[in-house]
Amino acid sequence: QQQVKQSPQSLIVQKGGISIINCAYENTAFDYFPWYQQFPGKGPALLIAIRPDVSEKKEGRFTISFNKSAKQFSLHIMDSQPGDSATYFCAASVRNAGNMLTFGGGTRLMVKP
Amino acid sequence: GAVVSQHPSRVICKSGTSVKIECRSLDFQATTMFWYRQFPKQSLMLMATSNEGSKATYEQGVEKDKFLINHASLTLSTLTVTSAHPEDSSFYICSASLGEGYNEQFFGPGTRLTVL
Repeated sequence: QQQVKQSPQSLIVQKGGISIINCAYENTAFDYFPWYQQFPGKGPALLIAIRPDVSEKKEGRFTISFNKSAKQFSLHIMDSQPGDSATYFCAASVRNAGNMLTFGGGTRLMVKP
Repeated sequence: GAVVSQHPSRVICKSGTSVKIECRSLDFQATTMFWYRQFPKQSLMLMATSNEGSKATYEQGVEKDKFLINHASLTLSTLTVTSAHPEDSSFYICSASLGEGYNEQFFGPGTRLTVL
């Protein structure tokens, strides 16, 4: 049973637009929610992460919105650029429980010039 | 900081041979290292978790005798794919963590294994 569900599977956005990727989780013990960016043939790179004590975190063009009651969190990429074209994974983990990450299924983002 | 390297970046081998993949944390001591497998256009699948100096914990369905994991030091973990077969062809990625109390995992660049 997949504990973190990610949508959409693929996304096409025009340059300058907003890319929005959503994730929903089931395990209420999760206390760390990172987003990873992965380019073809490369390992994932941490983009931004949030803990459940805040509802939003912004770093540059990337924003995480977190809704604890709905058990959902999302990634917003403002002013999307062709260089943002990659696969994005949300994940969740429980601190002090092995730190194992549970990954979402991934979203392939294509930003058209 | 928090750089993780993997070697080799890609390897091609014949069926039946064994392949060793190294994962190193370059600028920090990694109490815990994780090994993942990723098939094309799919998410990362955790294979095993290893803590320095102890036996690895394998996920359900992962054959521990086929995927040998050694975490002999705080900066090095190795994954050996024994008697590799074409179905073992995949992208293998390691990550490293400072251990309990630290959520962050730092990922290596991955190793592309192709078994002919």
